[in-house]
Amino acid sequence: ETGVTQSPTHLIKTRGQQVTLRCSSQSGHNTVSWYQQALGQGPQFIFQYYREEENGRGNFPPRFSGLQFPNYSSELNVNALELDDSALYLCASSLDSVTEAFFGQGTRLTVV
Amino acid sequence: AQSVAQPEDQVNVAEGNPLTVKCTYSVSGNPYLFWYVQYPNRGLQFLLKYITGDNLVKGSYGFEAEFNKSQTSFHLKKPSALVSDSALYFCAVRDGGGNNRLAFGKGNQVVVIP
Repeated sequence: ETGVTQSPTHLIKTRGQQVTLRCSSQSGHNTVSWYQQALGQGPQFIFQYYREEENGRGNFPPRFSGLQFPNYSSELNVNALELDDSALYLCASSLDSVTEAFFGQGTRLTVV
Repeated sequence: AQSVAQPEDQVNVAEGNPLTVKCTYSVSGNPYLFWYVQYPNRGLQFLLKYITGDNLVKGSYGFEAEFNKSQTSFHLKKPSALVSDSALYFCAVRDGGGNNRLAFGKGNQVVVIP
């Protein structure tokens, strides 16, 4: 198991609601990335945070936002949930941009 | 933008036989290449990486991968497959020019038949 933990593990929300997902990075890792994995697909990059600043963003609308805290833990917020937001959301932490990313177990979000 | 292709949806192999999972990539700069494995309802587990150096990279659980620059490939291999190797395998690439995002392939389901 990696040292990356995510909460909650499962979540059911109604269309139009807002959700916050949380991630604790592995000790010593200052870079956190978030990915969305739809059923049967590979993970898609949402954004990355490095030392509390956004450091790259994928092709996701502004209603996907995030934060990184001084202890390098992170949140992913999604506003105005849509049915297509149903997916496994993965958090990954790394030492820097070169080394491998270590993933948490993911949060399974279901929007009904 | 970087991208990865994993041409096969599913790879079936008998236990004890060699396992190969194919991956080709496209990237503008020098590639940083990774293989991850995913078990049902779990996150991704790192297997191995290629950054620079020897083209043959050895990783966890007996897996290895060969980087081929001319063919832009990074195929994952294991000499003797185990039933416990049955899982979903993802190849990923990062542009070594400073773009920090990982681009993943769609994944290959590996089924090892006892």
